[in-house]
Amino acid sequence: EPEVTQTPSHQVTQMGQEVILRCVPISNHLYFYWYRQILGQKVEFLVSFYNNEISEKSEIFDDQFSVERPDGSNFTLKIRSTKLEDSAMYFCASRVEGGVANTEAFFGQGTRLTVV
Amino acid sequence: AQSVAQPEDQVNVAEGNPLTVKCTYSVSGNPYLFWYVQYPNRGLQFLLKYITGDNLVKGSYGFEAEFNKSQTSFHLKKPSALVSDSALYFCAVRDGRNTDKLIFGTGTRLQVFP
Repeated sequence: EPEVTQTPSHQVTQMGQEVILRCVPISNHLYFYWYRQILGQKVEFLVSFYNNEISEKSEIFDDQFSVERPDGSNFTLKIRSTKLEDSAMYFCASRVEGGVANTEAFFGQGTRLTVV
Repeated sequence: AQSVAQPEDQVNVAEGNPLTVKCTYSVSGNPYLFWYVQYPNRGLQFLLKYITGDNLVKGSYGFEAEFNKSQTSFHLKKPSALVSDSALYFCAVRDGRNTDKLIFGTGTRLQVFP
């Protein structure tokens, strides 16, 4: 069964350093997402990406964050200068149809980012 | 603004008994409703969804959910719980045509005792 894969599973980085989280969405999917879950809190939407551009982003997704689909398979989230409060589990997700159709998003297993 | 409420942090049920995990929502348009399950050290797994049509939807692992428009609820149910159902359950809503993002509830930890 196809699945969304994320690497690494755990990333430890020093405050102020840049970090890149990587995701390989399901191959025929068109919409891509990043969500995060701070420990003990709810899952929060960060950004959606379609047709090589951001289609929607939350207030959390400020100038420190960027997303890219550098080739036909990878989807990355970059945090330029990490802060302690960026420590969280980051989930990548993808969905098969575009627009606001009724299909469900499939999530990866997450990357736990720890900023020290 | 969209929101989802899961009023119970934890639900405890004995194996073999029916279970209910509650969810209420608030959206301005037509709700698209989803349940996801998270096992320890795993990602979010899709269980079921309501988009339109029959108010009772069936999903994976014997779970079902009932959409109630008047009560703005979408409770998750299973007739007979298994110990292996123990996990963290998230309700999520998408505000129909207005947005593509999912708004998640805070999650309910289901504990099934043998």
